[in-house]
Amino acid sequence: DAGVIQSPRHEVTEMGQEVTLRCKPISGHNSLFWYRQTMMRGLELLIYFNNNVPIDDSGMPEDRFSAKMPNASFSTLKIQPSEPRDSAVYFCASSLGLAGGQVITGELFFGEGSRLTVL
Amino acid sequence: QKEVEQDPGPLSVPEGAIVSLNCTYSNSAFQYFMWYRQYSRKGPELLMYTYSSGNKEDGRFTAQVDKSSKYISLFIRDSQPSDSATYLCAMSYTNAGKSTFGDGTTLTVKP
Repeated sequence: DAGVIQSPRHEVTEMGQEVTLRCKPISGHNSLFWYRQTMMRGLELLIYFNNNVPIDDSGMPEDRFSAKMPNASFSTLKIQPSEPRDSAVYFCASSLGLAGGQVITGELFFGEGSRLTVL
Repeated sequence: QKEVEQDPGPLSVPEGAIVSLNCTYSNSAFQYFMWYRQYSRKGPELLMYTYSSGNKEDGRFTAQVDKSSKYISLFIRDSQPSDSATYLCAMSYTNAGKSTFGDGTTLTVKP
């Protein structure tokens, strides 16, 4: 089975440019999470969705960041305009979450990450 | 202060050593406790998953949770070079919601 697929794996861009990161979760998973990892701050949750609906976006740093999940098999994280301090590895993760009102498991399955460098 | 604090490391041990990795937390509402392993330039992958206090063993790995002390540990017995990675503790309030991660401890096991 394919795992969580993220693209691009690497992105180098200049300050002020728009960046779009993409994620395809594991088929059948109900929850999707966007995390950011840096040396200084570790792994931080930005936003998570359950059944395509944003549940908690309190970790989104500011209005320059936005995330969408138009359907169960696709999500995007957009940064506009990008800044050098946005440089990090962005991970998408999915989990089975809730199904039929019953919790299956909270295990997170991570993609390989998108390494963003903003010059 | 962060909700989850993890011993920073890095940690370097000889092959065969017993390794102890530790995290403390401040929020008593955490009920689910996980350990993830992350190899260089890869995403984290789940290693151990426990609910509430107690011990859980899986091969060479043992996860221990002490909710009264707000302290969790991961023990690795007979450590191998292939165990060299960053280990992240994680906690959540529910079994299906968001997880809060520690900063990770980088372990190197030398042959």
